[in-house]
Amino acid sequence: GQQLNQSPQSMFIQEGEDVSMNCTSSSIFNTWLWYKQDPGEGPVLLIALYKAGELTSNGRLTAQFGITRKDSFLNISASIPSDVGIYFCAGPFPTGGGNKLTFGTGTQLKVEL
Amino acid sequence: GAGVSQSPRYKVAKRGQDVALRCDPISGHVSLFWYQQALGQGPEFLTYFQNEAQLDKSGLPSDRFFAERPEGSVSTLKIQRTQQEDSAVYLCASSYRGHSTDTQYFGPGTRLTVL
Repeated sequence: GQQLNQSPQSMFIQEGEDVSMNCTSSSIFNTWLWYKQDPGEGPVLLIALYKAGELTSNGRLTAQFGITRKDSFLNISASIPSDVGIYFCAGPFPTGGGNKLTFGTGTQLKVEL
Repeated sequence: GAGVSQSPRYKVAKRGQDVALRCDPISGHVSLFWYQQALGQGPEFLTYFQNEAQLDKSGLPSDRFFAERPEGSVSTLKIQRTQQEDSAVYLCASSYRGHSTDTQYFGPGTRLTVL
């Protein structure tokens, strides 16, 4: 089963708003990844974090690797309609997992009409 | 494009039928992964290949699931005697070397529906 919990489960945004979501784990992770999945497509990597406390940006996206190594945060600034989709946090299995990834439960971003 | 491709994109099977799902990884990528994504859930790991060697199959849910990559490139995931609980999207991903810092690139998935 999955070890990563994401919140919120879903959220409505208006164009131009900033968005925040987070991911927590009961286990320590050495790498945090954030993926976005559009309908009918596979996940696409947005940001990778490799060090506790690290803050990394990719355009309007900023992600942070929590100091405890048990959480990570993703912020999207000035959201636009194409930000709609499902965002997953992920990381290599914490113990002896090699390169296989465990994924979070996902946060679905929707546009408020 | 040079991305990961999967076929078929959609598959409908009657309960008890066997199915085969194909993955074409990015050319030159050593590592190949299969994941299963149930509706409304994140992907879950099934199995992992480095070249033609299947190094980890700990995520395969039963002995009805079988994967192969005989020449170290194309991979096939086979499900025998399909059951309704097998309905899901099956995602394939590849990475260049298989190191933990290598990006996994995902294909669009095959949506399997078992009736």
